[in-house]
Amino acid sequence: DTAVSQTPKYLVTQMGNDKSIKCEQNLGHDTMYWYKQDSKKFLKIMFSYNNKELIINETVPNRFSPKSPDKAHLNLHINSLELGDSAVYFCASSPPRGVANYGYTFGSGTRLTVV
Amino acid sequence: GQNIDQPTEMTATEGAIVQINCTYQTSGFNGLFWYQQHAGEAPTFLSYNVLDGLEEKGRFSSFLSRSKGYSYLLLKELQMKDSASYLCAVPVNDYKLSFGAGTTVTVRA
Repeated sequence: DTAVSQTPKYLVTQMGNDKSIKCEQNLGHDTMYWYKQDSKKFLKIMFSYNNKELIINETVPNRFSPKSPDKAHLNLHINSLELGDSAVYFCASSPPRGVANYGYTFGSGTRLTVV
Repeated sequence: GQNIDQPTEMTATEGAIVQINCTYQTSGFNGLFWYQQHAGEAPTFLSYNVLDGLEEKGRFSSFLSRSKGYSYLLLKELQMKDSASYLCAVPVNDYKLSFGAGTTVTVRA
């Protein structure tokens, strides 16, 4: 199946821990994203990588560090987790320079709960 | 920048029609997307309008007026499975979509 897949789907962890979320796409897209969806359902962009190069970094605390080993993968590492980090994190991808015409394909989301 | 406004919630009866409005302000890029998001799931693409006018796709239609910064999504013959959030989104540049806060539609029997 062609898709954007992210793991894990659910993540429950204690404050102060470090955790990672992984994302992979087999759509042949060049651009990948991390979005955060808070409890009010608002989707806000965090990062974007185009061909392994960081192109968008939207006022995200430096406890969040994305890593793109190749254009098919974009992982998100979070240090020193805080209660306010609890949210659903979506990975997405789009064709090269294609957002304006093609939009995104989203992964299924990772529900992070910090306790 | 872009300000995207859409109603927070709408309720309708099975078989009815619901129209979800979206107003936006954006510079440079034209076009507007609608995504559907069921509870606990990922947003999925519904429609994309780049030209003014109405685009019909089965029970769902989307309208765009670029000069007015206005769009609507029309859901006809509502079914229970249409209960979801509907997100309006506009391209900010080649790489970024900006989303509205979403409209939660509840379909009642």
